[in-house]
This record gives sequence, structure tokens and C-alpha cells, in this order.
Amino acid sequence: KNQVEQSPQSLIILEGKNCTLQCNYTVSPFSNLRWYKQDTGRGPVSLTIMTFSENTKSNGRYTATLDADTKQSSLHITASQLSDSASYICVVSYNTNAGKSTFGDGTTLTVKP
Amino acid sequence: GAGVSQSPSNKVTEKGKDVELRCDPISGHTALYWYRQSLGQGLEFLIYFQGNSAPDKSGLPSDRFSAERTGGSVSTLTIQRTQQEDSAVYLCASSARGQGDYGYTFGSGTRLTVV
Repeated sequence: KNQVEQSPQSLIILEGKNCTLQCNYTVSPFSNLRWYKQDTGRGPVSLTIMTFSENTKSNGRYTATLDADTKQSSLHITASQLSDSASYICVVSYNTNAGKSTFGDGTTLTVKP
Repeated sequence: GAGVSQSPSNKVTEKGKDVELRCDPISGHTALYWYRQSLGQGLEFLIYFQGNSAPDKSGLPSDRFSAERTGGSVSTLTIQRTQQEDSAVYLCASSARGQGDYGYTFGSGTRLTVV
């Protein structure tokens, strides 16, 4: 069964601190993995996308890593800001021609001043 | 438009009534998806349209749910005889197939409340 598990479920950090969110998946065959940021009351917005051959990808203060052997990904946020408070969703696609993806339940990040 | 547009943004309906939710995808995006997000829960796949192919309806939770996509563009999700458990945010996303990156662009969603 294709599954995507994210941890922690929620996280509270102080502004300026770094944090790392985890995503483990059992999706097969793997096509690509994306991290999305979802602000409250908004739809998810793509942060990064990685294919099988990519180990790391950055988008500003966001850096995603992928270990295809262990089927793990992480999203590292550097020098957090209050605006980083959101849900972060890991999405793994396994059949892009059929539009098949499995979504994690997300990690809710709260950045406090 | 520049993004995926959904309407209405909020809908309150009485139990037993039918509702229609609208999604206007990004122009040229051939793929369109509907997802449901209950409070504090992850995204639940409902239905997927790709061009003129038969839609993938495997995620629809019951026969009270249906969706159409007219002219390969605008889509309408219809929920008949609404129940309280239908209360959720309904998100629409579109994707430009064939670019190698099947990333979704999501709308802001319709928050449905069944009272």
C-alpha cells in the first residue's frame, strides 16, 4: 500500500531557529517527491520537487533532501520567520501519467516571536 | 486567470440540500483534481480529469458525489443530499501534463459547512 508518513505532526519553534521536517514513504514505483506549504485558509503551494536522481534542492531558506534508498525526505527551514507558520505537506507521485500521488497528513509548524 | 479559481470561497448549507462547487483551472492545464481536506486532516483525493479521458472517480466517497468538467476547462463538483460529515474544505488543483513536472497548482478552496 502506498503511504506517506510525516513527522512530527506539529512543531513549535522560536523565530530565527532552524527546524527539520521528515517524510517517509512506501510509494512504488517512485516518480517524484514534492513539498508543499499550506497557509491557513489557502491551498498548498509548491516549495520543491525532486526526482529519483536528485539528493537535495533548495528554495531560499527551504532545503529539501531525498534518500531514495531509504525512502526518506526532509525539509530543512533555516532562520525561521513568523511567516513560515503553516502546514507542510509531503507529496509522492508514483504514476504521473495517471495523475497518481499520495499525500502525507502534513506537519503543522508554528513559529513564535 | 493566473491561478486556479474556486467559488464560492465559503458555503453554508442545510443538511439534505444539494451543493455545487466550481473550479476554474489555469488556462491550458489539461489535468484537474478535486481533493477534500477535513479539519486537521490530510488531503483526500476525490476525482481526477485528464484531457478527454474518462475521469478517475476512485476517490469519490459515495454516489452522492459527482463531478463534471465541461469543455476540458471548468469543473463542477456536486454533492447531493449533503450530510454533516461532508463539511470540509474542497480543494481543486490543475496541472500541465507533459512538462515533466507534474506539480499541482491549487486553488484556495471552498469551505463547506453543513448544518
